[in-house]
Amino acid sequence: DTAVSQTPKYLVTQMGNDKSIKCEQNLGHDTMYWYKQDSKKFLKIMFSYNNKELIINETVPNRFSPKSPDKAHLNLHINSLELGDSAVYFCASSQDKNTQYFGPGTRLTVL
Amino acid sequence: DAKTTQPTSMDCAEGRAANLPCNHSTISGNEYVYWYRQIHSQGPQYIIHGLKNNETNEMASLIITEDRKSSTLILPHATLRDTAVYYCIVKANSKLTFGKGITLSVRP
Repeated sequence: DTAVSQTPKYLVTQMGNDKSIKCEQNLGHDTMYWYKQDSKKFLKIMFSYNNKELIINETVPNRFSPKSPDKAHLNLHINSLELGDSAVYFCASSQDKNTQYFGPGTRLTVL
Repeated sequence: DAKTTQPTSMDCAEGRAANLPCNHSTISGNEYVYWYRQIHSQGPQYIIHGLKNNETNEMASLIITEDRKSSTLILPHATLRDTAVYYCIVKANSKLTFGKGITLSVRP
């Protein structure tokens, strides 16, 4: 069984569109995260939710809005996509602030 | 969170031990040392973590110096599938701050 899953795996879209990436974890964890890995391979945290509440919000444009319908899901919605948003986005989860487990990633390409 | 420094790359022969060093001279008393790796096109994979004592699991061993200013990740019998970027991270709260990591290449 996949512990942390993301959909879609690949996403190609035009500039200006709105898109969502879904993340689900079946580990029973209470904290979920979104990370962005750019073309230079740097991996940076964007958001963290604990029990559906936002606890980390790094300097991310307002066009990015995480939504947590329940503890097992943290979706990432992106409005008005820009070329610079092209990257691989990783979801992760942990119990409390302990070890984080990552999903397989979603490769977003904005044309 | 304290910063870590790692060599850019290293290689080792298949079947031999791979020893990956990490310096974290500004580590605080409550900060853990975590190791993750990222195999090409995959998500980061947790390997091991420790605070003061040496740790061992089914994947690797972590040796932390007594002053905690450096550590070594040991893969006892490297295989070709261990070729990846390995990240040494010092973590005190819920944030993982990834650096550039060290690229380990395991050669046949």
